[in-house]
Amino acid sequence: DAMVIQNPRYQVTQFGKPVTLSCSQTLNHNVMYWYQQKSSQAPKLLFHYYDKDFNNEADTPDNFQSRRPNTSFCFLDIRSPGLGDAAMYLCATSRTGKDGYTFGSGTRLTVV
Amino acid sequence: QKEVEQNSGPLSVPEGAIASLNCTYSDRGSQSFFWYRQYSGKSPELIMSIYSNGDKEDGRFTAQLNKASQYVSLLIRDSQPSDSATYLCAVGLSGTYKYIFGTGTRLKVLA
Repeated sequence: DAMVIQNPRYQVTQFGKPVTLSCSQTLNHNVMYWYQQKSSQAPKLLFHYYDKDFNNEADTPDNFQSRRPNTSFCFLDIRSPGLGDAAMYLCATSRTGKDGYTFGSGTRLTVV
Repeated sequence: QKEVEQNSGPLSVPEGAIASLNCTYSDRGSQSFFWYRQYSGKSPELIMSIYSNGDKEDGRFTAQLNKASQYVSLLIRDSQPSDSATYLCAVGLSGTYKYIFGTGTRLKVLA
């Protein structure tokens, strides 16, 4: 089945230790998104790519970076995680950017 | 700052009743609107999309859109305990490929 896969499902990292979250898709969708969602809050957009065109939200901290080496893969790098970065990180794709998202299962990040 | 607003709930309805969930948005140019269901600890799942004024029905779900009033709603008929979840409203920002989410309404269907 075509889908969006996020790895790992759960990630525990130490304060200040770089961490990378990955997302892959078999849907061949043009647009990929990274959202951060904290408990009882709305998903907050961090970045999105339309093909290779990268779009960074103005309020996304510099501590967060992203890479999309090809259509299928997208990575979220957190250079120096702080306790406030503990959250669910959601990868989503959209075929056109005007239709609904397909979400991955998310990565729950814990910072200790 | 473009916004999407939802009542956080919880909204409690008895099994078999109609649940009505509401959402307002601030971007007058928005053209695409979505409802997602999110179970606790899981990722959101798309359940309805709507692009034109009026009603759109899919099974037990009906989405309603009124662009003049900047209002989107979701009706769930014959509510089941398995419908208990948080329902997120998402609105496409005009001129972009981005969607803004509301904080969600928590629905509880009581058996």
